[in-house]
Amino acid sequence: AQTVTQSQPEMSVQEAETVTLSCTYDTSESDYYLFWYKQPPSRQMILVIRQEAYKQQNATENRFSVNFQKAAKSFSLKISDSQLGDAAMYFCAYSGGGADGLTFGKGTHLIIQP
Amino acid sequence: NAGVTQTPKFQVLKTGQSMTLQCAQDMNHEYMSWYRQDPGMGLRLIHYSVGAGITDQGEVPNGYNVSRSTTEDFPLRLLSAAPSQTSVYFCASKPGQGNQPQHFGDGTRLSIL
Repeated sequence: AQTVTQSQPEMSVQEAETVTLSCTYDTSESDYYLFWYKQPPSRQMILVIRQEAYKQQNATENRFSVNFQKAAKSFSLKISDSQLGDAAMYFCAYSGGGADGLTFGKGTHLIIQP
Repeated sequence: NAGVTQTPKFQVLKTGQSMTLQCAQDMNHEYMSWYRQDPGMGLRLIHYSVGAGITDQGEVPNGYNVSRSTTEDFPLRLLSAAPSQTSVYFCASKPGQGNQPQHFGDGTRLSIL
C-alpha cells in the first residue's frame, strides 16, 4: 500500500516570503500522479498543483511550484511571495494507476504572519 | 455549474440512527468517491465507484454502504451510526479512472452522540 508522509504539522512564514512544505511517499508503482490540495477554514478542498511521475520537469502554477525528486520519492511545494490568503491546511496526495482514489498525508497547517 | 453538491452540510445523530449523505455531480463524471476526514488525519477513502452499477471498498469501508444507480448520484449510507463515525465527509468526482484531479464537494460535518 502507498503511504504519504508530511513531516511538518505546522509552518509559519512572514507575508511576502517563500516557504517550502515537505512531502515524501512510498510506492512500488512507476506510473502515478502527485497532488497538493489546499484546505482553507471554509473546508473546501482546492487543487493547487499536480505532477505526473513520468515528467521530469517540475510543475509550476503562478506562485506555486514543486520540487519532484522521483528517486528520493520526495514532492515538496514551494510558495513564493506568500500572501495572507495562502493560510490553510495543505495536503499532499498520491494517485496510482488503479481506480482506488487518493492517498493523503496528514497535512501541514500553514500560518502567514502579516 | 454546481460541480459536486453534498447535502446536508451539518448533521447530528444519535448512536444507532441511520442516515444517508447525499452527493450529486453535474459534470457527467464516471468516477465518484467518498472520503472521511478526522482531526490530525488526511482524508481516507471509504468507497468509490467507477460507473453506474459498480462500487468498491476503499481503506475504511466498515459501517458504510453505497450504491450507484445513476451517473450523477452516489449516496453514502450509515445503517447504525456509531460515535467513531463522527467526522467530516467529502464526496469527490473525476471524469474517469485516469489520474485527472478529483473535484470535491464542500463536505458534510457529521456528529454522532
